[in-house]
Amino acid sequence: DTGVSQNPRHKITKRGQNVTFRCDPISEHNRLYWYRQTLGQGPEFLTYFQNEAQLEKSRLLSDRFSAERPKGSFSTLEIQRTEQGDSAMYLCASSLGLAKETQYFGPGTRLLVL
Amino acid sequence: SQQGEEDPQALSIQEGENATMNCSYKTSINNLQWYRQNSGRGLVHLILIRSNEREKHSGRLRVTLDTSKKSSSLLITASRAADTASYFCATDGGNFNKFYFGSGTKLNVKP
Repeated sequence: DTGVSQNPRHKITKRGQNVTFRCDPISEHNRLYWYRQTLGQGPEFLTYFQNEAQLEKSRLLSDRFSAERPKGSFSTLEIQRTEQGDSAMYLCASSLGLAKETQYFGPGTRLLVL
Repeated sequence: SQQGEEDPQALSIQEGENATMNCSYKTSINNLQWYRQNSGRGLVHLILIRSNEREKHSGRLRVTLDTSKKSSSLLITASRAADTASYFCATDGGNFNKFYFGSGTKLNVKP
């Protein structure tokens, strides 16, 4: 399978714990995006990378959230001191960039904070 | 608030009927895309229409775009039970860097 992959698929954690999610984009894609989706809503943009550079961050991305893409390939999204309001599906997408705007999404990581 | 909004929020039809969903957005765009999401899964890209295009087809899908009204529609012809899913429109807000999604239309196709 050469699509976008995300790990883990599900994560249950207790409030106050840190969690880290991983996204592996389609190999030749230089753009990588993170979105958050809550029940009954569409995805909301969090941040995106062009290769290893993080070029834009949403105001939704509080100081407790950090994303990295160290070698321009896979990316990690860490949430520190999780809160119950962080419970959501975290989606990763990648695209070729330039004029190839179609974003291809991974299956998502569903986070539940107890 | 989100850029795109779909209408209706929910739609229930019989297999074989056509399903039409609408999307309205607020600012200028370079393109608009439609995605499908099965319950609890990731999004699947369906079709992209650019701001200088008015209509596009892909299999049983037909998408129209009216930039003067800032609206788009997705028509699924001869629906199947497997089309049951949520459908989202996504716009780039004139910026290729991110998408804005609406809340989606939940389509139920009854066999």
